[in-house]
Amino acid sequence: DTGVSQDPRHKITKRGQNVTFRCDPISEHNRLYWYRQTLGQGPEFLTYFQNEAQLEKSRLLSDRFSAERPKGSFSTLEIQRTEQGDSAMYLCASSPLPQSRGPDYEQYFGPGTRLTVT
Amino acid sequence: QQQVKQSPQSLIVQKGGISIINCAYENTAFDYFPWYQQFPGKGPALLIAIRPDVSEKKEGRFTISFNKSAKQFSLHIMDSQPGDSATYFCAAIGFKAAGNKLTFGGGTRVLVKP
Repeated sequence: DTGVSQDPRHKITKRGQNVTFRCDPISEHNRLYWYRQTLGQGPEFLTYFQNEAQLEKSRLLSDRFSAERPKGSFSTLEIQRTEQGDSAMYLCASSPLPQSRGPDYEQYFGPGTRLTVT
Repeated sequence: QQQVKQSPQSLIVQKGGISIINCAYENTAFDYFPWYQQFPGKGPALLIAIRPDVSEKKEGRFTISFNKSAKQFSLHIMDSQPGDSATYFCAAIGFKAAGNKLTFGGGTRVLVKP
């Protein structure tokens, strides 16, 4: 399978615990995005990387959240001291660098990691 | 603030009917408008997309209509099938905007009755 993969698919944790999610993008895709989706809502942007550089973070990304993409390939998203409000689907997407006025620009999503904080 | 507004929140259509979902945006910096289809427990999958320099794009049973002056666009699903039952999200993205991050609408849950 050459699509975006995420691990784990489901995570149940107790409030206050730390969790880490992994995303493997489509190979050769320079950009990697993290989104969060709560039940019944559209995904919301959290952060994105171009190669290994984290170029933007949303205000939604509190200081308990940290993301890395150390070698410009896979990425991890860590949540420290989880809260019940962190319960959501965490989605990863990847894309090639957009071409100026070139081909349509597409982001490809993984299956997501469903986090439940009890 | 919701930069992309989507309606309706849900709709029920008979097999063979037409499903119509509407979206409106505010930010004129958006210049690419994709639609995603999402099944329960799965990530969103790109369905079809349009740039604002065209008024309509068709791929199979799916058509996007785009009205740049009104800042509105819509998805039409022709000959709807039970397998089309899913949640549909419109989105917008700006090529020149930092990060090219997607801004999603709130979603429309479509149920196609056999």
